[in-house]
Amino acid sequence: GAGVSQSPRYKVAKRGQDVALRCDPISGHVSLFWYQQALGQGPEFLTYFQNEAQLDKSGLPSDRFFAERPEGSVSTLKIQRTQQEDSAVYLCATRAARDRPYEQYFGPGTRLTVT
Amino acid sequence: RKEVEQDPGPFNVPEGATVAFNCTYSNSASQSFFWYRQDCRKEPKLLMSVYSSGNEDGRFTAQLNRASQYISLLIRDSKLSDSATYLCVVNKIGGKLIFGQGTELSVKP
Repeated sequence: GAGVSQSPRYKVAKRGQDVALRCDPISGHVSLFWYQQALGQGPEFLTYFQNEAQLDKSGLPSDRFFAERPEGSVSTLKIQRTQQEDSAVYLCATRAARDRPYEQYFGPGTRLTVT
Repeated sequence: RKEVEQDPGPFNVPEGATVAFNCTYSNSASQSFFWYRQDCRKEPKLLMSVYSSGNEDGRFTAQLNRASQYISLLIRDSKLSDSATYLCVVNKIGGKLIFGQGTELSVKP
């Protein structure tokens, strides 16, 4: 398929564990965004990459959250020492540089449950 | 106060009804505006962009009032398949999207 893919789709972690969530963007999309969606809420911005450069990380809730995109393609969102309040759906979205520049295409998300 | 505010609903309407959703945003520097649709346990998908001149796509009409910082979405002749959560979205400089809480719509036969 040509869409954004994310893995794993579901993750259960015990409190205190580290997790890594992966996003595979649409080929050629230079911009990549991570959002966090709590139950019953709209998605909230976490961080943004333009190619491999992390241009905005103002939405990361704490220093336990870290994102990278070392080669400007696949991105990983890492959460260290998970807490129950980290339980949410983590959405990745990508955007082409030129075509319809404001449209972001979302992946299916990773549903994280911290027990 | 959230930057984008919506009535969370739920809105329960019969098939064929007309339903209107409203949204307000607080940052006058916001660049562009959208409505996204999100089905249960699925990712958000772009429904339509919103322009000051108003825009229509079939049964859907979106309107932006920059002076009042107000965005609306009108759905005419609602179908069962319109049941979803509708997210009001503002695009900020740099591209990050600011979402409202979402308004849940349930269309009943």
